[in-house]
Order: sequence, then structure tokens, then C-alpha cells
Amino acid sequence: DAMVIQNPRYQVTQFGKPVTLSCSQTLNHNVMYWYQQKSSQAPKLLFHYYDKDFNNEADTPDNFQSRRPNTSFCFLDIRSPGLGDAAMYLCATRGSITDTQYFGPGTRLTVL
Amino acid sequence: AQKITQTQPGMFVQEKEAVTLDCTYDTSDPSYGLFWYKQPSSGEMIFLIYQGSYDQQNATEGRYSLNFQKARKSANLVISASQLGDSAMYFCAMSSPGGANNLFFGTGTRLTVIP
Repeated sequence: DAMVIQNPRYQVTQFGKPVTLSCSQTLNHNVMYWYQQKSSQAPKLLFHYYDKDFNNEADTPDNFQSRRPNTSFCFLDIRSPGLGDAAMYLCATRGSITDTQYFGPGTRLTVL
Repeated sequence: AQKITQTQPGMFVQEKEAVTLDCTYDTSDPSYGLFWYKQPSSGEMIFLIYQGSYDQQNATEGRYSLNFQKARKSANLVISASQLGDSAMYFCAMSSPGGANNLFFGTGTRLTVIP
């Protein structure tokens, strides 16, 4: 089945230690998104790629970076995680001719 | 600017009964999309149903239907014949026009189905 996959499902890192979260998709969708969702809150868009074009939300901290080496993969790099970065990170994809975003299972990040 | 409002932080429904989750929105764009997503405790955001702003008919997907009232700017989700597995957080969202079609989410409604 075509799907959006996120690895790992759970990630524990130490304060200030860089961490990378990965997302892959078999849907061949042009657009990939990264959202941050803190406990009991709605998801908040961090950035998205439309093909290779990167689009950063205005309030996304510089601590968050992203890479998309090819259509299938997208990575979220957190350069120096703080305690406030502990959250669920959701990846989503969308085809260019549809409106619907399809989400992966998420990576729950814990910062010690 | 787009805004989504979900006024019910929590809802309870008896198993096998129907339940309506409220969602109102605000936008000045003539073209937009409205979505409902389900998020169980595992965290995955599951797409349920979509309504385009120009769609004449209310969207339906199995036990889910979207009661779209454009003049009132409301897009309520109706779940029929509730099941225990429907217990989850439900988010209403709206897409903005343009290349990114970014989603704006409401604050969510936690639905609990009682046996």
C-alpha cells in the first residue's frame, strides 16, 4: 500500500544534541510538509517542499532545518534541541492536483 | 486570514448513536477546502473527509458525513453509529489557496464513545 512512513516512531535526545527525523513516501507526491504538534495543541506547520522548492514558515525557529534529497524522502534536522522542542513531529504529503494532505504516523521526540 | 473554530473541547456519545462535531471557519477566499482528521492516542493524523467550497453536495465517506453550510461558514462532522474505536481527537482544518495549500487547524474536539 502506498503510504507515508516516519522513522523512528520514538526518539529520545539530549539537550543540545542534534537529531534528525526522517519521512519517506511511496505516493509520489510533489509536496511534503513538516508539522510540530505539542501536547493538547493543533499541529503547527514548520515548512514545506513543493518539489525542490523549500518554503519556511515565518515563525519557524532557525534551529529547525530540512532536506529533501529526492521526491521520496524528506528530513527534519533539529540542530540544538531544547526542552521546548519536545513534541510530536508529523510529516504529510500532497499531490499537485489534490487538496488533501496525507500524514505519516509521526515521531514523538523527547528531550532530556 | 483563515481561522478555524471548534467550540467543543470534549464530547461524549453512546455507542451506536450519532454525534455531531462542530466547526466554523472564516476566510475571505472564494476557493478553499475543508477537512476533518482523526487523531487517536497513537498520534497518527488520519484523513476522514473533504469538502470543496464549490461542491454542491455534502461530502460523505462511510459513517462520516460533512454538513456544509456555506452561508453560515460551518462544516460540522457527523459520525453515525458510533463505535468504541471512534474515541479520538478530531481536528477540523481548512486549506488556503495557492501552490502550498497549507492547512489551518482548529483546536480539536476529544470524542469519547461510551459502551
